[in-house]
Amino acid sequence: QVQLVQSGAEVRKPGASVRVSCKAFGYSLSDSYMHWVRQAPGQGLEWMGWINPKNGGALYAQKFQGRFTMTSDTSFNTAYMELSSLRSDDTAIYYCTRVLRPGHPGFAYWGQGTLVTVSS
Amino acid sequence: EIVLTQSPGTLSLSPGERAILSCRPSQSVSSSDLVWYRQKPGQAPRLLIYETSIRAPGIPDRFSGSGSGTDFTLTISRLEPEDFAFYYCQYYGISLLTFGGGTKVEIK
Repeated sequence: QVQLVQSGAEVRKPGASVRVSCKAFGYSLSDSYMHWVRQAPGQGLEWMGWINPKNGGALYAQKFQGRFTMTSDTSFNTAYMELSSLRSDDTAIYYCTRVLRPGHPGFAYWGQGTLVTVSS
Repeated sequence: EIVLTQSPGTLSLSPGERAILSCRPSQSVSSSDLVWYRQKPGQAPRLLIYETSIRAPGIPDRFSGSGSGTDFTLTISRLEPEDFAFYYCQYYGISLLTFGGGTKVEIK
C-alpha cells in the first residue's frame, strides 16, 4: 500500500531556509516522479514542480525557479524539497504527491502535508 | 501558461441536489490532460476524475466528468454530506501543470 509520510511542521524567520522530507512506503521511490504542491492558508493549490528520483532530473514551475530545490535519496526512499530566502508569503502547507501509475495523469497519493510558517 | 478558470466560486446547494462545476482553460487542452479533485477542510486533496471523465479507484458513480477543448464540467448527481467541500480542476500537461482557483460547494 502506497503511503507518503512527510516531516513535521516547521517555523522559520524571513530569509531562512527550510527542508521538508517525504518518505515513500509501499513502493520504490525510483518508480514514480514525485511532485510538490503547496497551499497557502485559505488559498488554492499551487503546483511547484517534479523530480524524477531515478536520475535526479527535475522540472520547476517558473514561479519557483531559483529558491526551490527538489532532491531525492533512493537509499532512504525519501524525497526532499528545500525552499530558501523564505518570505512571509511562503507560509503554507507543502504536500508531496505522486500519480496512481507512471503515465497516469492525476495525483492519487498525497503526503499528509507539512505546515511551514514564516514569521519574525 | 494555461490558466484554468473555475466557476462559480461558491455553489450553495442542499443534500441530494445536483451540482455542476465548470472549468475553462485559457486555451484548448486535450481531454487526456484534465483532472478533478475534492478537498475537505484539513485534508489533502483526493483524486476524483482523470482524463476528463474516468473515475479514480473508489470514487462513487455520482461523480461524472465531461467536456473538451476549453469547456469542462464536473457533475455530482446527488450531493452527499461529504461532498460539501472544495473542488479543483487541474491541467496535467507533459511538462507543466496548473490548478484552477477552486469552487466551494457549501450547504444551503
